[in-house]
Amino acid sequence: KNEVEQSPQNLTAQEGEFITINCSYSVGISALHWLQQHPGGGIVSLFMLSSGKKKHGRLIATINIQEKHSSLHITASHPRDSAVYICAAWNNNDMRFGAGTRLTVKP
Amino acid sequence: ETGVTQSPTHLIKTRGQQVTLRCSSQSGHNTVSWYQQALGQGPQFIFQYYREEENGRGNFPPRFSGLQFPNYSSELNVNALELDDSALYLCASSLGLRADTQYFGPGTRLTVL
Repeated sequence: KNEVEQSPQNLTAQEGEFITINCSYSVGISALHWLQQHPGGGIVSLFMLSSGKKKHGRLIATINIQEKHSSLHITASHPRDSAVYICAAWNNNDMRFGAGTRLTVKP
Repeated sequence: ETGVTQSPTHLIKTRGQQVTLRCSSQSGHNTVSWYQQALGQGPQFIFQYYREEENGRGNFPPRFSGLQFPNYSSELNVNALELDDSALYLCASSLGLRADTQYFGPGTRLTVL
């Protein structure tokens, strides 16, 4: 079992839909990161969370430390949101990545 | 554009050779992290440098080594290359260890034949 599990692996949505991507981790963490990777490899760091909730534009990230679970939400999804979304847990000077969720938003 | 640059963009080496990859951090960023991403997989953390000292290391053998210079640019060195080292190598810089955001470079694609 991976230390960081994401679900779903693949997600297809229609433009405008509300998207939720989940991340569960089995290790203790000091921070959890959400990353976005576009085709061609470019990675953008979206959020770093250690508690609570953060919002940036249409993106919202939440974390529940007790349940070891984080979610990334996208409101009013758009085709340009199509990418792979990766969560990564930072613990004891080591970072463990989930396998990623491939999101496709159709017009 | 994030301001983080990596060189070279692409590189082809043969098994047993050594390689040096370079990363120039965003201006003012004192922390740099290196990641390996094999084709079709998520990134794996190699190590992190903070103010020229290694701050953390993932599950990579000692033939993966690094340096951070006083200007906070960084190098990743890999000795005795193996076929499985073929991957996209990404560096990311941030301001401090608890920064909210890491800024990723475009990566160096290494192919080992």
